[in-house]
Amino acid sequence: AQSVAQPEDQVNVAEGNPLTVKCTYSVSGNPYLFWYVQYPNRGLQFLLKYITGDNLVKGSYGFEAEFNKSQTSFHLKKPSALVSDSALYFCAVRDRGGGTASKLTFGTGTRLQVTL
Amino acid sequence: GAGVSQSPRYKVAKRGQDVALRCDPISGHVSLFWYQQALGQGPEFLTYFQNEAQLDKSGLPSDRFFAERPEGSVSTLKIQRTQQEDSAVYLCASSLTGFAGELFFGEGSRLTVL
Repeated sequence: AQSVAQPEDQVNVAEGNPLTVKCTYSVSGNPYLFWYVQYPNRGLQFLLKYITGDNLVKGSYGFEAEFNKSQTSFHLKKPSALVSDSALYFCAVRDRGGGTASKLTFGTGTRLQVTL
Repeated sequence: GAGVSQSPRYKVAKRGQDVALRCDPISGHVSLFWYQQALGQGPEFLTYFQNEAQLDKSGLPSDRFFAERPEGSVSTLKIQRTQQEDSAVYLCASSLTGFAGELFFGEGSRLTVL
């Protein structure tokens, strides 16, 4: 079975400082990894994904994430946080195998709070 | 429209009533997913369609939950004899492909069972 762990319920950071939101995963095979963001009363919006290739992937709004196979991690980062980045962030994993593995499994989410 | 559309956005049902939630995916998207998101939790997988075929329904919590996508486009999630524990936001997502492609989510249908 595949699973995702987001160890922090909330991350607080001052505007202009770098931010990191942590994610570790577990799959039987090789993973596809995703980050989504959710604003209040809105659906999830795609930020970025790792499929293959370069371990550092860049996504929307200046976010990036680094795939680390040995640590089974896919932490989300941004060099300089903005107040508008405050939202709920979800990490998700999908096994590259077919069939029922096509489903995307989400973590429980990390609330990012950026203050002035 | 350009995005995934879900209706109704909000539904209040009395315990025991049947409800139907509709999802209109992005045109041409082959894959369609339903997720359930309880308050303060991450989305939990319910079921997956590839075109009109329901390939995975392992996440449906009971036989009161039923989903269909008869023509490979619009999908309906039906909940029979609703219970209070069914209260959640039901998210629909579509994808051009079933594996490497990102999911595009609708804004969800918030179900409250009294």
